[in-house]
Amino acid sequence: DAGITQSPRHKVTETGTPVTLRCHQTENHRYMYWYRQDPGHGLRLIHYSYGVKDTDKGEVSDGYSVSRSKTEDFLLTLESATSSQTSVYFCAISAGKGDRELFFGEGSRLTVL
Amino acid sequence: RKEVEQDPGPFNVPEGATVAFNCTYSNSASQSFFWYRQDCRKEPKLLMSVYSSGNEDGRFTAQLNRASQYISLLIRDSKLSDSATYLCVVPSPGGYNKLIFGAGTRLAVHP
Repeated sequence: DAGITQSPRHKVTETGTPVTLRCHQTENHRYMYWYRQDPGHGLRLIHYSYGVKDTDKGEVSDGYSVSRSKTEDFLLTLESATSSQTSVYFCAISAGKGDRELFFGEGSRLTVL
Repeated sequence: RKEVEQDPGPFNVPEGATVAFNCTYSNSASQSFFWYRQDCRKEPKLLMSVYSSGNEDGRFTAQLNRASQYISLLIRDSKLSDSATYLCVVPSPGGYNKLIFGAGTRLAVHP
């Protein structure tokens, strides 16, 4: 158990509304990630963080922002949700050899109507 | 060529069978590889890491072929509980801690 919790686990919202997903970890890991998973695409990296206030973009970062003000929390914000952002969002931390083994939270299922 | 490619399956096999999946990758500089298992509507979980030519863990064997740029996952004596989607993961050329996931191969083991 990597001690990762995501909230909310399920959310339904309307187009144009802001949404924030929270990822909380209890084991002081340096690297944290946000992925989205859609049928046929696998997991795609949205943003990642390599320390407090240190973040970088992944391959599908448009329409998303992140913040990491504390080691344990990594927030993903959709400033104005669109239907194309309907997805399952996974937070992950990296650990193990070379910090390359990912451990995931249980996921947040977001539906944008 | 996609960075990571997997046959989506499904692979339908009887209990006790041996099944193998391949995954091809495009970044020839990759040094480490991973297989994850994902059950329906659950998070991916690390199954095996491959840092050299291969790795074995019980009924599971992962092998790396650098010349042909593919990794394989072999499952012997399949169990019903092995039914899941298996994700191949390789490092991205764009950054040390960025990983690229394949879309997954679905395995269904039947009695």
